[in-house]
Amino acid sequence: QSLLTQPPSASGTPGQRVTISCSGSSSNIGSNSVYWYQHLPGTAPKLLFYRNGERPSGVPDRFSGSKSGTSASLDISGLQSEDEGDYYCATWDDSVSGWVFGGGTKLTVL
Amino acid sequence: QVQFVQSGAEVKKPGASVKLSCKASEYTFSRFGVLWVRQAPGQRFEWMGWINAGNGNTRYSQNFQGRVTITRDTSANTVYMELRGLTSEDTAVYYCARDSDSPFDYWGQGTLVTVSS
Repeated sequence: QSLLTQPPSASGTPGQRVTISCSGSSSNIGSNSVYWYQHLPGTAPKLLFYRNGERPSGVPDRFSGSKSGTSASLDISGLQSEDEGDYYCATWDDSVSGWVFGGGTKLTVL
Repeated sequence: QVQFVQSGAEVKKPGASVKLSCKASEYTFSRFGVLWVRQAPGQRFEWMGWINAGNGNTRYSQNFQGRVTITRDTSANTVYMELRGLTSEDTAVYYCARDSDSPFDYWGQGTLVTVSS
């Protein structure tokens, strides 16, 4: 089964830096761009990054994304309480010819 | 601001079908595709399919092939997703999202579908 693996949870205090990882395989992250989405309580999911690390307008530069080999990561610096929510990675998987998502990481701001 | 407004919550019995709608606004509807994904309780997002809003071409996930149909009405800027043969495992929140330079760049608010006898 094509799976992207994320840590189920992450946490930090205001102002800290947090990194969320997304691990895949050669058929997905290894050969396609990675996208990151933020899902805050009570809202529609929001695109954070496209094509591995491109930031849409309106996304603060506290957020950064990168990819290396079959893994990707999302970095959030200067953590704020409003960052609390769920974060998902996604990519195309060549082996199933479809979009696949990570299991999501619940970010808690302590 | 690009917006998608999805239809309201549904409760269906096993074996039934459900047809959800997703109305787009604030962009040229026929220029981009629309994707459908769902998220069952405690599960990850699962991609269901995609439609080219301009020419109506579709592509479906292997997991839903034969059970899902995505259509669009360009006069109403609306995309529809019909899922047949519902079981309890289809209980989920269903989302539509735009596919432009980036997939899923704008999402709808989601529609809860509950399948229960």
